Amino acid sequence: NAGVTQTPKFQVLKTGQSMTLQCAQDMNHEYMSWYRQDPGMGLRLIHYSVGAGITDQGEVPNGYNVSRSTTEDFPLRLLSAAPSQTSVYFCASSRQPYNSPLHFGNGTRLTVT
Amino acid sequence: AQTVTQSQPEMSVQEAETVTLSCTYDTSESDYYLFWYKQPPSRQMILVIRQEAYKQQNATENRFSVNFQKAAKSFSLKISDSQLGDAAMYFCAFAGAGSYQLTFGKGTKLSVIP
Repeated sequence: NAGVTQTPKFQVLKTGQSMTLQCAQDMNHEYMSWYRQDPGMGLRLIHYSVGAGITDQGEVPNGYNVSRSTTEDFPLRLLSAAPSQTSVYFCASSRQPYNSPLHFGNGTRLTVT
Repeated sequence: AQTVTQSQPEMSVQEAETVTLSCTYDTSESDYYLFWYKQPPSRQMILVIRQEAYKQQNATENRFSVNFQKAAKSFSLKISDSQLGDAAMYFCAFAGAGSYQLTFGKGTKLSVIP
């Protein structure tokens, strides 16, 4: 039972490079989301999706793009990485976000130099 | 917008003792859900306990229990018989009913002293 799978676990980028963080879940969850975790800041919502083809912005969406073409996958794209995007990124899914527990991936530690 | 405040950045507890982590929140909604998540050094986020605002009874999961005071907008987590494996960051989180956004506090780092 894989749950939520995030890849890669670690990544180092140079300023201006682009990359995609992958997230896949095998629980048939409609709701998926991306958070970033910074020291002393807790987790902040970047983008979320309530189903295939439906996405919306969270608290800190600038610099990130998402799409949801299938129920299983919810990739996060950084088009032009900046040092301010150095963080740990978590993907999470649930049946519903407000009354079902979130299932988290193991996180991606991203460093932008 | 909702806010979640954890006023204790760090706490410590002796093994086998009891510790309480504080959380307050601000909302104008009457129906919502509150959560405590644990993040051990492995970085994995794990749900500890969940409380539905319309339920007056405090949630309990084995050694973990909450003190939910709706009028005071307070949601503290009590860990009884603390174990070394309880050492982790603990995050309080809020979700309004029907909302698609979960708001997290900044976390409390709990150390367990053998």
